[in-house]
Amino acid sequence: RKEVEQDPGPFNVPEGATVAFNCTYSNSASQSFFWYRQDCRKEPKLLMSVYSSGNEDGRFTAQLNRASQYISLLIRDSKLSDSATYLCVAPSLYNQGGKLIFGQGTELSVKP
Amino acid sequence: EAQVTQNPRYLITVTGKKLTVTCSQNMNHEYMSWYRQDPGLGLRQIYYSMNVEVTDKGDVPEGYKVSRKEKRNFPLILESPSPNQTSLYFCASSLSRFGSPLHFGNGTRLTVT
Repeated sequence: RKEVEQDPGPFNVPEGATVAFNCTYSNSASQSFFWYRQDCRKEPKLLMSVYSSGNEDGRFTAQLNRASQYISLLIRDSKLSDSATYLCVAPSLYNQGGKLIFGQGTELSVKP
Repeated sequence: EAQVTQNPRYLITVTGKKLTVTCSQNMNHEYMSWYRQDPGLGLRQIYYSMNVEVTDKGDVPEGYKVSRKEKRNFPLILESPSPNQTSLYFCASSLSRFGSPLHFGNGTRLTVT
């Protein structure tokens, strides 16, 4: 089982839709998580940090479920510009030095 | 502007010709790391450094070297590049290794023929 798993998608949604991605992680002791956005062949950019139960920033909400060991990203009122790959990041289960593991990414395509 | 700068952005080279990809950050970050990204394999860590003169192997270190002589710079060296090192490379830095997000450079697309 991978340490961080995401549904690769693609998620094809119309403009204005609400879409949610889930990400499961293996390290039950993890305290910090991150969501990154990556446009095609460009660098990943930090979207949100999640340190407790969740975080909200405008149309984006991240939630953490420690019991089930998953984090989710909710995007409301999707825009065409939200089309990208979303990467979930969590600390490694096997490395005590705080190494971050990236999920494979979930591809989102927002259509007019 | 706070940033991680990588150079070059694009590089085409031949097998066996030594090359260096530079990485510099201006945020006084302690932690720096190199990743490669390949289709279907996601981001894989090559090497990382927790501070000056402290470096360690990541998941895919074979064929690569790094050095950290100054806090701001973390070059990636390919002593004898091979075609299987054709990839998209990212340098990243963070304030510390624990609990801090990574900030990425804009990538280097390397092709080895």
